[in-house]
Amino acid sequence: GAGVSQSPRYKVAKRGQDVALRCDPISGHVSLFWYQQALGQGPEFLTYFQNEAQLDKSGLPSDRFFAERPEGSVSTLKIQRTQQEDSAVYLCASSLEQGRGNEQFFGPGTRLTVL
Amino acid sequence: DAKTTQPPSMDCAEGRAANLPCNHSTISGNEYVYWYRQIHSQGPQYIIHGLKNNETNEMASLIITEDRKSSTLILPHATLRDTAVYYCIVRVVGAGNMLTFGGGTRLMVKP
Repeated sequence: GAGVSQSPRYKVAKRGQDVALRCDPISGHVSLFWYQQALGQGPEFLTYFQNEAQLDKSGLPSDRFFAERPEGSVSTLKIQRTQQEDSAVYLCASSLEQGRGNEQFFGPGTRLTVL
Repeated sequence: DAKTTQPPSMDCAEGRAANLPCNHSTISGNEYVYWYRQIHSQGPQYIIHGLKNNETNEMASLIITEDRKSSTLILPHATLRDTAVYYCIVRVVGAGNMLTFGGGTRLMVKP
């Protein structure tokens, strides 16, 4: 059984470039989350989807960050005009059902380095 | 969500029990206690969660005090592969289900 996968695993971008990070959740998982983890810190929530609906984007740090999940499965996190402070590991997690306390399954993350 | 307090680091001898404490003195009645761990260069991994009763699974045991203001995660026979950062999180079920991670405890299991 495949877990959550993310691609690419590593991304180096020049300041000002746009990047797109992909998340493939576990099949059938309704909920999908994106987190950002700076070096030496715990992950911080960015945004949450229930199926294709983005129900919470309160953690997105600026309007340069945009996430979508158009068909309720694969999700893409896009960062426009990347800045050095965007350098972090971006984690995706999925869970089976909202409101049941179900565990979140995390992918391995994408390490983004902005030069 | 309520915040948690954990020691920044702990050591444990291989084969011995690792007891990781967590304080959550402002926890609300509808908040669960969750534990995740993150091994280097991997995503966080769910370990266990509970509301007020002690819980046990194949990975660990969770002991929650009667007043629910603190808890302890117990790894009964720590191995080198248990070296990781352990996060204690309190969370209201149904509130978007986001996880609010603190600094965690860096557990080093030594041979």
